[in-house]
Amino acid sequence: DAGVTQSPTHLIKTRGQQVTLRCSPKSGHDTVSWYQQALGQGPQFIFQYYEEEERQRGNFPDRFSGHQFPNYSSELNVNALLLGDSALYLCASSRFGDDYGYTFGSGTRLTVV
Amino acid sequence: SQQGEEDPQALSIQEGENATMNCSYKTSINNLQWYRQNSGRGLVHLILIRSNEREKHSGRLRVTLDTSKKSSSLLITASRAADTASYFCATDARGSQGNLIFGKGTKLSVKP
Repeated sequence: DAGVTQSPTHLIKTRGQQVTLRCSPKSGHDTVSWYQQALGQGPQFIFQYYEEEERQRGNFPDRFSGHQFPNYSSELNVNALLLGDSALYLCASSRFGDDYGYTFGSGTRLTVV
Repeated sequence: SQQGEEDPQALSIQEGENATMNCSYKTSINNLQWYRQNSGRGLVHLILIRSNEREKHSGRLRVTLDTSKKSSSLLITASRAADTASYFCATDARGSQGNLIFGKGTKLSVKP
């Protein structure tokens, strides 16, 4: 299956540490978006990458950064982790310009202790 | 910030009944999408309705869109226990170039 793959599935980090989450988009997709979903809430948009550049950004501090590689895969980095960063981090892929909906990965559950 | 607001927050029905969820939003949109999420895992895209469409069907799903009222509804007919999940509406706002704004979701429980 060529769906969206995220790794790791679960992660526990200590306050102040840094974390890197990874995402491989669905085959044929070239755009990757990252979302943060706190418990009991809907996902919130962090940023979107296309052509290895950040194209859009939501209301998240600079501690959240990302990268897209030539093979369209992407990383989300969070520095100086806070307890409030504990959430499910979702990656969604699409083809730039299409409006057929997004394909989401299963997410990475990050717990900051 | 969250644009969409789903109503009700929680819904409990018996298998075979219909389930209706509503969504309201605030700004002009290119399209509105509905997603399902099982037990806090990934989102599954259900259906997309464009701003110039009023109704769309996909299997047991029926979505309506009223842009004058900035609202949408999702109807699941003949529900099954496997439909138990959280359902989210997400808007692709005009000018946003594709980032989605989600509501808080409706938690649907279908009892066998």
